Amino acid sequence: AQSVSQHNHHVILSEAASLELGCNYSYGGTVNLFWYVQYPGQHLQLLLKYFSGDPLVKGIKGFEAEFIKSKFSFNLRKPSVQWSDTAEYFCAVTPNFNKFYFGSGTKLNVKP
Amino acid sequence: DGGITQSPKYLFRKEGQNVTLSCEQNLNHDAMYWYRQDPGQGLRLIYYSQIVNDFQKGDIAEGYSVSREKKESFPLTVTSAQKNPTAFYLCASIPGRDQNTEAFFGQGTRLTVV
Repeated sequence: AQSVSQHNHHVILSEAASLELGCNYSYGGTVNLFWYVQYPGQHLQLLLKYFSGDPLVKGIKGFEAEFIKSKFSFNLRKPSVQWSDTAEYFCAVTPNFNKFYFGSGTKLNVKP
Repeated sequence: DGGITQSPKYLFRKEGQNVTLSCEQNLNHDAMYWYRQDPGQGLRLIYYSQIVNDFQKGDIAEGYSVSREKKESFPLTVTSAQKNPTAFYLCASIPGRDQNTEAFFGQGTRLTVV
């Protein structure tokens, strides 16, 4: 079945550590790719998005993601995390313009 | 301010009762979506509507119903046929089909059935 996979369900890091969250999808053809973040008690917010062009995209709060078409991946990275990055992160894919498919989410806990 | 408003934030209902969750947007978006969020399962699509008076089933539509009589409103009814209705429900919208854009989300409604 077509899907979006986030293999890291729960990640615990210390402040200043580097972060990489994996996202793989199985939809063929042209896709749009997104990372959303949900801070505790808040609504889903867009971190970054990829539609076309440079496969390395930069988002808010120092996050970036790299689209590797051959690997069907869109991994999220941040060189140095902060306690305020504690949240749940969702990868999303639109294989067409009408439906957004989400991964199961990764909970990130950053220890101060 | 433009945005998506979901109400109420918390909702409690007795088992066997139907309940309707509200979703209103003033973004002039054509397409609207309902997702269900459960721990460890991410967001799963319940129903979506690309235009007024039209809607489509998502991946987990059983036990739910929707209507789209107005562009700005997309209410979701959780019926007594839904086997496990306790969950966090998220409404989203996008400007329209055939556009490269992200989805915009409301703050969600947490439904608890007792």
